[in-house]
Formats: sequence, C-alpha cells, structure tokens
Amino acid sequence: EVQLVQSGGEVKEPGESLKISCKGSGYTFSNYWIGWVRQMSGKGLEWMGIIYARDSDTRYSPSFEGQVLISVDKSINTAYLQWGTLKASDSAVYYCARRGYTTGEAFDIWGQGTVVTVSS
Amino acid sequence: QSALTQPPSVSGTPGQRVTISCSGSSSNIGNNFVYWYRQLPGMAPTVVVYKNNQRPSGVPDRFSGSKSGTSASLAISGLRSEDEADYYCAAWDDSLSGHVVFGGGTKVTVL
Repeated sequence: EVQLVQSGGEVKEPGESLKISCKGSGYTFSNYWIGWVRQMSGKGLEWMGIIYARDSDTRYSPSFEGQVLISVDKSINTAYLQWGTLKASDSAVYYCARRGYTTGEAFDIWGQGTVVTVSS
Repeated sequence: QSALTQPPSVSGTPGQRVTISCSGSSSNIGNNFVYWYRQLPGMAPTVVVYKNNQRPSGVPDRFSGSKSGTSASLAISGLRSEDEADYYCAAWDDSLSGHVVFGGGTKVTVL
C-alpha cells in the first residue's frame, strides 16, 4: 500500500524548536516530490513548500520562507518539516503530501496530519 | 487572502446538483491544470479531480470538473449526504517556480 505516515502530535512552548516527519512506503520514495501544507484551526489549506526526495531541491512559499526548513533523508524514505523558534501562531495541523505523476502532478497521497500545539 | 477564489459555502438537497466555482489568474488556472480536493471533517484531503476534469479511480462520476480561461468549477450531481465536506481547488502557479496555490475552500452542506 502506498502511504505517507506522519509523526505524532506535539505540544511545545513558544521559543522551542521542533522537527516533524513524514515517512513514505509502498513506492520509490526518491522519485517523487513531497509537499507540506498547513491548516490552522477552522481555516483552509496553505501550501508551505515542496522538496524533491532524490536531490533535495526545495521550493518555499514566500509566506513560509525563512520560517521553516524542509529537508529529506532518502535513505530512510522520510521528509521533515522543522522550526527553529516556534510561535503560538504555528499551532496548526501539518500535512505532507506526494506530488503524483499519473494524476498530473496532483497531491495524490496525503499523510494523516500532525497536530502541533504551541502554548505556554 | 487566497490566490484562488471560491464561495465559502454552497448547499443543496439530496439528489440536487451543486456547483463550486474557483477563480484565479493567468499565472495559475489560466496556464496550468486545476485540481479539486475534498476534506471530510477531521481527515486529510483527498483528490477528487485532477487535470481539470479527470477523476481518480474510486471517485464516482457524480463529480465533474471543468475549466475555462482563468476559472474552473466542480459540479456534484445526485448530491448525497456523504458529499458533505470542504472542497478546495488548487493549481500550480507560474509566477514562482514550483509553487501551488489553493482556494479558500467551500463548505458543501446537504440539507
């Protein structure tokens, strides 16, 4: 089964750092781009950025550039999203998603989401 | 403010046909494929239409997508209670290489 499995929910305090993960299985991980999408409580989907698993080529949304770091370790089929200094406004659900080929570059496989709560 | 514009909500009774509009620009919808994602409450989104009007296997033919110029739409015919969800349009955007833009989402309510 083709799937993306994300790491579990996190509760952090403002100022802390965080790295969440997204592990792919059931397909050749390095052949695909993995994107990250934020969804704040009760709000819509926001595209954060995307990384090519084979060579780590990364593109960021202007809204998130400099705020987060997207990386990948293709040896363990895992993509990451990390923050150096969390803010309360980073509280949200974060999804990873695979950019498919047969579906014309749609995000065809999604992770289950990671809930990040930042609160003092 | 989202780059793609959708109505916040649409509603219909079972069996009716509803349409969700999505308006963009020449750098996104006008020059690239449109995708539609459905998000059930508490769940991750799933794609229901890709390449403007193609359905993944498993998505019923009650769902149909279309595109004209810088606008697109998703129609759901024979509305069913299980269609109640949030729907998002999306497109790649040429203004910044390799970027995706989403619509703000439309809540479909089955009355």
